[in-house]
Amino acid sequence: IRMTQSPSSLSAAVGDRVTITCQASRDIKNYLNWYQQKPGKAPKLLISEASSLEAGVPSRFSGSGFGTDFTFTIASLQPEDIAMYFCQQYDNVPFTFGPGTKLDVK
Amino acid sequence: EVRLVESGGNLVQPGGSLRLSCLGSGFSVSDTYMSWVRQAPGKGLEWVSLLYSRGNAHYHDSVRGRFTISRDDSKNSIHLQMFGLRPEDTAMYYCVRHSGTHWGQGTQVTVSS
Repeated sequence: IRMTQSPSSLSAAVGDRVTITCQASRDIKNYLNWYQQKPGKAPKLLISEASSLEAGVPSRFSGSGFGTDFTFTIASLQPEDIAMYFCQQYDNVPFTFGPGTKLDVK
Repeated sequence: EVRLVESGGNLVQPGGSLRLSCLGSGFSVSDTYMSWVRQAPGKGLEWVSLLYSRGNAHYHDSVRGRFTISRDDSKNSIHLQMFGLRPEDTAMYYCVRHSGTHWGQGTQVTVSS
């Protein structure tokens, strides 16, 4: 299953609403994760099952979608949100990742 | 608290071998599926291998036949035996619990002459 993600990079101001999209090449139901990765660190799971916020993750992060089209949103960008963001399907092996979105501050 | 600690990464010549290990704590590695995911320098994430609790394994096409994933229940660990290493295998290798709920800190594999 091929995962596409857009945009590949994004500049936004603190307080902005940020949206990243992820598309699967075939139906993955809701078996989709969203990760945040900061330089030199392992990815951190933010959202599982397309829309379930992981424990301890701020509520400004959210996800939606089902089937092939998914959206990740940061409601109000904070300085600490600057990172790479990846989507990943886990409906079928190989568990493929999107190419990532680099988010920085305008 | 769930924790994963990888070890075994090193600098190795092309054609060489390495065995990566991942020690789990706070849960049993045999109770869920475990994966290895790698990330080449400055690149994205690539799933490498997965081991189900029943013991069946899956591999990325690029490593099938060269890498073997295994589990040692007595040590609550999983391993990735890598043979025939190539420069394109150079990456940080992460151990991952289930679909991605927990990741280790990674171990660096560098394949270069």
